[in-house]
Amino acid sequence: DVKVTQSSRYLVKRTGEKVFLECVQDMDHENMFWYRQDPGLGLRLIYFSYDVKMKEKGDIPEGYSVSREKKERFSLILESASTNQTSMYLCASRDPVGTKHFGDGTRLSIL
Amino acid sequence: GQQVMQIPQYQHVQEGEDFTTYCNSSTTLSNIQWYKQRPGGHPVFLIQLVKSGEVKKQKRLTFQFGEAKKNSSLHITATQTTDVGTYFCAKNYGQNFVFGPGTRLSVLP
Repeated sequence: DVKVTQSSRYLVKRTGEKVFLECVQDMDHENMFWYRQDPGLGLRLIYFSYDVKMKEKGDIPEGYSVSREKKERFSLILESASTNQTSMYLCASRDPVGTKHFGDGTRLSIL
Repeated sequence: GQQVMQIPQYQHVQEGEDFTTYCNSSTTLSNIQWYKQRPGGHPVFLIQLVKSGEVKKQKRLTFQFGEAKKNSSLHITATQTTDVGTYFCAKNYGQNFVFGPGTRLSVLP
């Protein structure tokens, strides 16, 4: 079974802090994704990566950056956290047949 | 061009009633995927449809891909409380999949 692990289930940070959300997958998948999920807005893609050191902007990249130094790890960075970034963050990897496998999510609160 | 629409946004049914959610795209789809997210959980892959007019069944769930490959539906027969959750369709877009907004299903016992 594919395992996608997000480092924190719940996180509380303050406005202006730099925040790191980590995601690790154990199946050597090339494609990894970061989404945020908000009530009424569904899943919105922030960034994705199709290989080590490669990244592509999704629909809402503003205020975020990512890092993919190793194939198994895809990190989402909030450079200077703001209250409108309070959300559920979901990481996913995609297997060779196109199925996405999601982590359990990180519920991030910015105070 | 990227978006997929889903209706309804919410659906409340009595246990035992049927439920259907629809997914529509303005462009022809190469394939469509369906995911289910339980309350408090993460989206879990259910199925992928590829062929025009394809119909696939998983127990009480029936998935259909339209003949024109622009729409899809998920039908649940005789809902149970375990069916509660949000159902998303997702379409291929380059290296990514674009998710619909989801249909949240509530099942009243």
